[in-house]
Amino acid sequence: GAVVSQHPSWVICKSGTSVKIECRSLDFQATTMFWYRQFPKQSLMLMATSNEGSKATYEQGVEKDKFLINHASLTLSTLTVTSAHPEDSSFYICSARDRVGNEQFFGPGTRLTVL
Amino acid sequence: QKEVEQNSGPLSVPEGAIASLNCTYSDRGSQSFFWYRQYSGKSPELIMSIYSNGDKEDGRFTAQLNKASQYVSLLIRDSQPSDSATYLCAPKGVRTGGSYIPTFGRGTSLIVHP
Repeated sequence: GAVVSQHPSWVICKSGTSVKIECRSLDFQATTMFWYRQFPKQSLMLMATSNEGSKATYEQGVEKDKFLINHASLTLSTLTVTSAHPEDSSFYICSARDRVGNEQFFGPGTRLTVL
Repeated sequence: QKEVEQNSGPLSVPEGAIASLNCTYSDRGSQSFFWYRQYSGKSPELIMSIYSNGDKEDGRFTAQLNKASQYVSLLIRDSQPSDSATYLCAPKGVRTGGSYIPTFGRGTSLIVHP
């Protein structure tokens, strides 16, 4: 099956710093990648959709200047949490879909803790 | 607004029993349906997909789809404690700006007790 990796798997940072999370599709070309956030015991919340070579489409309520998404290649998308605050502490998960677009495959997630 | 409804549970079943997880969706245009399993603290993993009305079996899992009723279900036979997780129903989603946007239910928490 398709494999999606994320790096780092966990990160602890100080308030006010920026954190970059990478999402890679290892054995297929991901024309579309999705970024989710999940707080404890809550459902997945879609943050944004990114298509390779295009600007990301953000969901309502998600600040695009705070959560910078880059999808520069068919195998890599990055999410940068800028000026992180404790309330940004969450589980960030990416998923990727190929050109056929039927299934999406999730990365293992990145747990962000902002002190 | 496109919606996916799942009973949040928890659904508690004894080991060896059949667990039945249900999902209804509002988008009549949905053609593809997926079930994901999410263990606590982990990301979702795809376990079943179904595209046609009827049943699709894969090992202990059976997905059932009824497009007329806008209903999809997942049956887990011979439930094991390791099946304890949250199960997410996901129609393929709606097309926006060229991409299909995934829609997920809130998930049903399944507990299989020994």
